Amino acid sequence: AQSVTQLGSHVSVSEGALVLLRCNYSSSVPPYLFWYVQYPNQGLQLLLKYTSAATLVKGINGFEAEFKKSETSFHLTKPSAHMSDAAEYFCAVTSLSNTGKLIFGQGTTLQVKP
Amino acid sequence: EAQVTQNPRYLITVTGKKLTVTCSQNMNHEYMSWYRQDPGLGLRQIYYSMNVEVTDKGDVPEGYKVSRKEKRNFPLILESPSPNQTSLYFCASSSWTGTYEQYFGPGTRLTVT
Repeated sequence: AQSVTQLGSHVSVSEGALVLLRCNYSSSVPPYLFWYVQYPNQGLQLLLKYTSAATLVKGINGFEAEFKKSETSFHLTKPSAHMSDAAEYFCAVTSLSNTGKLIFGQGTTLQVKP
Repeated sequence: EAQVTQNPRYLITVTGKKLTVTCSQNMNHEYMSWYRQDPGLGLRQIYYSMNVEVTDKGDVPEGYKVSRKEKRNFPLILESPSPNQTSLYFCASSSWTGTYEQYFGPGTRLTVT
């Protein structure tokens, strides 16, 4: 069965430091991949998506992610963390059997320290 | 403005009292689904609908019902809620064309006592 694994349920960085949130997926064919962000008491907002057009994907708020087929990874990065980046981040992949369905990772809570 | 709306946003109820959470989208999307979010488990799909009058079970359908009589609406029904249905619920919609990006509602936090 397809799955998404996010390494680290909590990540803490200092303001201005590099943000790296890890995501690995299992899929027999290249999927569509997404990163969503959830701010406290809010719904999910799309950060970026991979749709096979380019392996390096740029999203909103300075985030980007690189699709690496050989590693089945789609890690999310941002060069310099801001306090406003503190949130929960979800990696997701489209289901091969049900393309309207997203399979989510467990989520990673990002803490940004001043 | 393109959006998915859910009501209510917060709900506290007692075991066994039927409730409905409404969901509506204004993007003419064919596909709609319900997810529940629980700590450490991410989001899991409860039910989905590919179009009007077409619904099917997701990964965790027990204790839930849905209907899709109109394209824009997809209510979630808990006929006899139990405490293990205490969760944060999200409605989402997407189009069959494009990249299957899903648009999410703001969430409904349900507590069953």
